[in-house]
Amino acid sequence: EAGVTQSPTHLIKTRGQQATLRCSPISGHTSVYWYQQALGLGLQFLLWYDEGEERNRGNFPPRFSGRQFPNYSSELNVNALELEDSALYLCASSSGGINIGPPRETQYFGPGTRLLVL
Amino acid sequence: LAKTTQPISMDSYEGQEVNITCSHNNIATNDYITWYQQFPSQGPRFIIQGYKTKVTNEVASLFIPADRKSSTLSLPRVSLSDTAVYYCLVGGGSFSGGYNKLIFGAGTRLAVHP
Repeated sequence: EAGVTQSPTHLIKTRGQQATLRCSPISGHTSVYWYQQALGLGLQFLLWYDEGEERNRGNFPPRFSGRQFPNYSSELNVNALELEDSALYLCASSSGGINIGPPRETQYFGPGTRLLVL
Repeated sequence: LAKTTQPISMDSYEGQEVNITCSHNNIATNDYITWYQQFPSQGPRFIIQGYKTKVTNEVASLFIPADRKSSTLSLPRVSLSDTAVYYCLVGGGSFSGGYNKLIFGAGTRLAVHP
């Protein structure tokens, strides 16, 4: 069974540009999560999508946005890129939605997209 | 969401047992405890999850005392390939998405030496 896939693996942009990152969840998973991990730091929660809807959002400015498609794949868009947006962006998926019961569903992570803003 | 506290780093040697303790004093009644492992430039990998007492799988054991205010991840006979960052997460108490908004702390950097 294929795991979570992300594309591209690396992305180089300049300040002010827009970046689009893509994620395909594990087959059968309906929830997709996005995290940002700056070099040497922990993961920061960005967004959670389930069944096509944005369910939760971390403490990031509105220029970070995304969407989930009918096939449950997802896109993360970062507008007006800033130097500090340089990071590893991780996508995770789970089979749990908003009405999951115990035990809690595990999140499975993709390999990430390394974004470098120059 | 319950905040977790872990040691920043630990050192061990091949073949030793490693125990990493996580404190979560304000864990909620319905919260679960989950541990992830992360290698450089890779996404975190699920290791183990538990609610109370002891959970064991092929990779590790998780010990949770009765008050659930802490948990200990135990890695038996570590090897060089176990060198990674280990994250303890607590959540899952809400059906409206409390678990889904996982809070990853800085984690524990485990270095295994020959």
